[in-house]
Amino acid sequence: GAVVSQHPSWVICKSGTSVKIECRSLDFQATTMFWYRQFPKQSLMLMATSNEGSKATYEQGVEKDKFLINHASLTLSTLTVTSAHPEDSSFYICSADRDWTYNEQFFGPGTRLTVL
Amino acid sequence: AQSVAQPEDQVNVAEGNPLTVKCTYSVSGNPYLFWYVQYPNRGLQFLLKYITGDNLVKGSYGFEAEFNKSQTSFHLKKPSALVSDSALYFCAVRDMGNTDKLIFGTGTRLQVFP
Repeated sequence: GAVVSQHPSWVICKSGTSVKIECRSLDFQATTMFWYRQFPKQSLMLMATSNEGSKATYEQGVEKDKFLINHASLTLSTLTVTSAHPEDSSFYICSADRDWTYNEQFFGPGTRLTVL
Repeated sequence: AQSVAQPEDQVNVAEGNPLTVKCTYSVSGNPYLFWYVQYPNRGLQFLLKYITGDNLVKGSYGFEAEFNKSQTSFHLKKPSALVSDSALYFCAVRDMGNTDKLIFGTGTRLQVFP
Protein backbone atom coordinates (compact mmCIF):
# COMPACT_ATOMS: atom_id res chain seq x y z
CA GLY A 1 0.00 0.00 0.00
CA ALA A 2 0.83 3.72 -0.07
CA VAL A 3 1.74 3.99 -3.73
CA VAL A 4 2.18 7.36 -5.39
CA SER A 5 2.31 7.69 -9.16
CA GLN A 6 3.40 10.51 -11.40
CA HIS A 7 2.57 11.17 -15.00
CA PRO A 8 4.35 11.62 -17.28
CA SER A 9 7.62 10.03 -16.25
CA TRP A 10 9.45 12.25 -18.69
CA VAL A 11 8.53 15.10 -20.99
CA ILE A 12 10.32 17.22 -23.55
CA CYS A 13 8.80 20.53 -24.54
CA LYS A 14 9.64 23.68 -26.40
CA SER A 15 10.50 26.89 -24.63
CA GLY A 16 7.40 28.98 -23.94
CA THR A 17 4.97 26.11 -23.66
CA SER A 18 3.28 24.85 -20.50
CA VAL A 19 3.61 21.39 -19.04
CA LYS A 20 1.32 19.66 -16.56
CA ILE A 21 2.56 16.94 -14.22
CA GLU A 22 0.12 14.78 -12.31
CA CYS A 23 0.66 13.21 -8.93
CA ARG A 24 -1.76 10.58 -7.69
CA SER A 25 -2.03 8.58 -4.52
CA LEU A 26 -3.27 5.23 -5.77
CA ASP A 27 -4.43 3.40 -2.69
CA PHE A 28 -4.89 6.04 -0.05
CA GLN A 29 -6.22 9.53 0.43
CA ALA A 30 -3.47 12.08 0.80
CA THR A 31 -4.15 14.83 3.27
CA THR A 32 -1.21 16.79 2.00
CA MET A 33 0.95 16.55 -1.08
CA PHE A 34 4.34 18.08 -1.65
CA TRP A 35 6.26 19.06 -4.75
CA TYR A 36 10.04 18.90 -4.87
CA ARG A 37 12.60 19.80 -7.47
CA GLN A 38 15.91 18.03 -7.81
CA PHE A 39 18.85 19.25 -9.86
CA PRO A 40 21.45 16.76 -11.07
CA LYS A 41 23.51 15.35 -8.24
CA GLN A 42 21.76 17.56 -5.73
CA SER A 43 19.27 17.16 -2.95
CA LEU A 44 15.54 17.66 -3.10
CA MET A 45 14.28 21.19 -2.76
CA LEU A 46 10.74 21.64 -1.46
CA MET A 47 8.79 23.85 -3.82
CA ALA A 48 5.35 23.87 -2.29
CA THR A 49 2.92 22.16 0.02
CA SER A 50 -0.53 21.38 -1.28
CA ASN A 51 -3.69 20.65 0.66
CA GLU A 52 -6.86 19.49 -1.00
CA GLY A 53 -9.28 22.29 -1.68
CA SER A 54 -6.99 25.11 -0.65
CA LYS A 55 -4.23 27.17 -2.16
CA ALA A 56 -0.75 25.76 -2.13
CA THR A 57 1.87 27.15 0.18
CA TYR A 58 5.01 28.00 -1.74
CA GLU A 59 8.52 28.06 -0.40
CA GLN A 60 10.51 31.26 -0.50
CA GLY A 61 11.92 31.93 -3.92
CA VAL A 62 9.47 29.73 -5.81
CA GLU A 63 7.36 31.66 -8.32
CA LYS A 64 3.69 30.99 -7.74
CA ASP A 65 2.67 32.15 -11.19
CA LYS A 66 5.23 29.97 -12.87
CA PHE A 67 4.61 26.78 -10.95
CA LEU A 68 0.86 26.42 -10.64
CA ILE A 69 -0.31 23.78 -8.21
CA ASN A 70 -3.85 22.46 -8.07
CA HIS A 71 -4.96 19.91 -5.50
CA ALA A 72 -8.31 18.92 -6.92
CA SER A 73 -9.02 15.90 -4.76
CA LEU A 74 -7.57 13.81 -1.98
CA THR A 75 -5.83 11.64 -4.54
CA LEU A 76 -4.67 14.11 -7.17
CA SER A 77 -2.37 17.11 -7.27
CA THR A 78 -1.04 18.72 -10.42
CA LEU A 79 1.95 20.92 -11.07
CA THR A 80 1.87 23.08 -14.18
CA VAL A 81 5.08 24.69 -15.32
CA THR A 82 3.92 27.71 -17.28
CA SER A 83 5.92 29.32 -20.08
CA ALA A 84 8.71 26.86 -19.55
CA HIS A 85 12.31 27.84 -20.17
CA PRO A 86 15.45 25.72 -20.35
CA GLU A 87 16.34 26.62 -16.77
CA ASP A 88 13.15 24.90 -15.65
CA SER A 89 14.57 21.61 -16.86
CA SER A 90 14.81 19.42 -13.81
CA PHE A 91 13.55 16.30 -12.05
CA TYR A 92 10.24 16.99 -10.32
CA ILE A 93 9.13 14.68 -7.53
CA CYS A 94 5.88 14.68 -5.63
CA SER A 95 5.14 13.08 -2.30
CA ALA A 96 2.08 12.54 -0.17
CA ASP A 97 1.20 12.35 3.47
CA ARG A 98 -1.07 9.51 4.33
CA ASP A 99 -2.44 9.97 7.79
CA TRP A 100 -1.11 10.71 11.22
CA THR A 101 0.00 7.14 11.80
CA TYR A 102 2.48 7.22 9.00
CA ASN A 103 4.84 10.06 9.65
CA GLU A 104 6.82 9.39 6.51
CA GLN A 105 5.98 10.84 3.15
CA PHE A 106 5.43 8.52 0.20
CA PHE A 107 7.20 9.58 -2.95
CA GLY A 108 6.29 9.33 -6.59
CA PRO A 109 8.80 8.07 -9.16
CA GLY A 110 9.52 11.57 -10.46
CA THR A 111 9.11 13.39 -13.76
CA ARG A 112 12.08 14.44 -15.84
CA LEU A 113 11.31 17.72 -17.62
CA THR A 114 13.54 18.89 -20.46
CA VAL A 115 12.81 22.27 -22.01
CA LEU A 116 14.44 22.88 -25.38
CA ALA B 1 15.61 26.24 11.89
CA GLN B 2 15.82 22.58 11.17
CA SER B 3 18.64 21.19 9.11
CA VAL B 4 20.33 17.97 8.17
CA ALA B 5 23.99 17.40 7.37
CA GLN B 6 25.46 14.52 5.47
CA PRO B 7 29.18 15.18 5.62
CA GLU B 8 30.23 12.65 3.00
CA ASP B 9 29.43 13.14 -0.66
CA GLN B 10 30.43 9.58 -1.40
CA VAL B 11 31.14 6.44 0.55
CA ASN B 12 33.01 3.55 -1.02
CA VAL B 13 32.91 0.09 0.47
CA ALA B 14 33.76 -3.41 -0.68
CA GLU B 15 30.98 -5.93 -1.00
CA GLY B 16 30.56 -7.91 2.18
CA ASN B 17 32.03 -5.20 4.38
CA PRO B 18 29.97 -3.16 6.82
CA LEU B 19 28.87 0.27 5.71
CA THR B 20 28.01 3.48 7.51
CA VAL B 21 26.46 6.60 6.02
CA LYS B 22 26.58 9.53 8.39
CA CYS B 23 23.86 12.03 9.24
CA THR B 24 23.53 14.73 11.85
CA TYR B 25 20.53 16.92 12.42
CA SER B 26 19.33 20.09 14.06
CA VAL B 27 15.72 20.65 15.04
CA SER B 28 14.00 22.74 17.66
CA GLY B 29 11.37 20.22 18.66
CA ASN B 30 11.26 16.45 18.68
CA PRO B 31 13.02 15.07 15.62
CA TYR B 32 11.33 12.65 13.32
CA LEU B 33 14.21 11.16 11.34
CA PHE B 34 14.14 9.28 8.07
CA TRP B 35 16.39 7.58 5.58
CA TYR B 36 15.44 7.33 1.94
CA VAL B 37 17.26 5.74 -0.99
CA GLN B 38 17.17 6.91 -4.59
CA TYR B 39 18.16 4.90 -7.62
CA PRO B 40 19.01 6.67 -10.91
CA ASN B 41 16.07 8.54 -12.42
CA ARG B 42 13.74 7.23 -9.77
CA GLY B 43 11.82 8.67 -6.86
CA LEU B 44 12.72 8.09 -3.25
CA GLN B 45 12.15 4.84 -1.45
CA PHE B 46 11.60 4.83 2.28
CA LEU B 47 14.15 2.80 4.26
CA LEU B 48 13.45 3.49 7.90
CA LYS B 49 12.42 6.06 10.44
CA TYR B 50 12.92 7.03 14.04
CA ILE B 51 10.01 8.59 15.85
CA THR B 52 10.37 7.41 19.42
CA GLY B 53 11.35 4.34 21.39
CA ASP B 54 14.35 2.11 20.80
CA ASN B 55 17.33 4.06 19.51
CA LEU B 56 18.26 1.29 17.08
CA VAL B 57 15.84 1.20 14.20
CA LYS B 58 15.71 -1.61 11.67
CA GLY B 59 14.47 -0.98 8.18
CA SER B 60 14.22 -2.36 4.69
CA TYR B 61 16.89 -4.38 2.86
CA GLY B 62 18.87 -5.10 6.03
CA PHE B 63 19.58 -1.46 6.85
CA GLU B 64 19.47 -0.07 10.34
CA ALA B 65 20.12 3.30 11.94
CA GLU B 66 20.99 4.43 15.43
CA PHE B 67 19.49 7.54 16.93
CA ASN B 68 21.93 9.32 19.21
CA LYS B 69 20.35 12.27 20.92
CA SER B 70 23.49 13.59 22.59
CA GLN B 71 25.38 13.63 19.32
CA THR B 72 22.29 14.59 17.28
CA SER B 73 23.14 11.86 14.84
CA PHE B 74 21.22 9.23 12.92
CA HIS B 75 23.81 7.19 11.02
CA LEU B 76 22.67 4.54 8.56
CA LYS B 77 24.37 1.16 8.80
CA LYS B 78 24.39 -2.25 7.23
CA PRO B 79 26.49 -5.19 8.44
CA SER B 80 27.31 -6.53 4.99
CA ALA B 81 27.09 -4.38 1.88
CA LEU B 82 25.82 -5.60 -1.48
CA VAL B 83 26.68 -4.23 -4.92
CA SER B 84 22.96 -3.62 -5.37
CA ASP B 85 23.04 -1.21 -2.41
CA SER B 86 24.89 1.28 -4.61
CA ALA B 87 22.61 4.31 -4.79
CA LEU B 88 22.05 7.80 -3.43
CA TYR B 89 21.01 7.96 0.20
CA PHE B 90 19.19 10.86 1.82
CA CYS B 91 18.75 11.56 5.48
CA ALA B 92 15.78 13.75 6.36
CA VAL B 93 14.26 15.33 9.42
CA ARG B 94 10.72 16.38 10.04
CA ASP B 95 9.87 18.85 12.75
CA MET B 96 6.48 17.42 13.56
CA GLY B 97 4.08 19.80 15.18
CA ASN B 98 6.12 22.77 14.05
CA THR B 99 6.52 23.17 10.33
CA ASP B 100 5.86 19.53 9.45
CA LYS B 101 8.19 19.99 6.50
CA LEU B 102 10.61 17.27 5.51
CA ILE B 103 14.11 18.68 5.21
CA PHE B 104 16.67 16.64 3.32
CA GLY B 105 20.39 16.38 3.62
CA THR B 106 22.52 16.81 0.53
CA GLY B 107 22.71 13.09 -0.07
CA THR B 108 25.53 10.54 0.05
CA ARG B 109 26.36 8.38 -2.88
CA LEU B 110 27.15 4.85 -1.79
CA GLN B 111 29.35 2.84 -4.09
CA VAL B 112 29.78 -0.83 -3.28
CA PHE B 113 32.57 -2.52 -5.20
CA PRO B 114 32.55 -6.25 -5.97
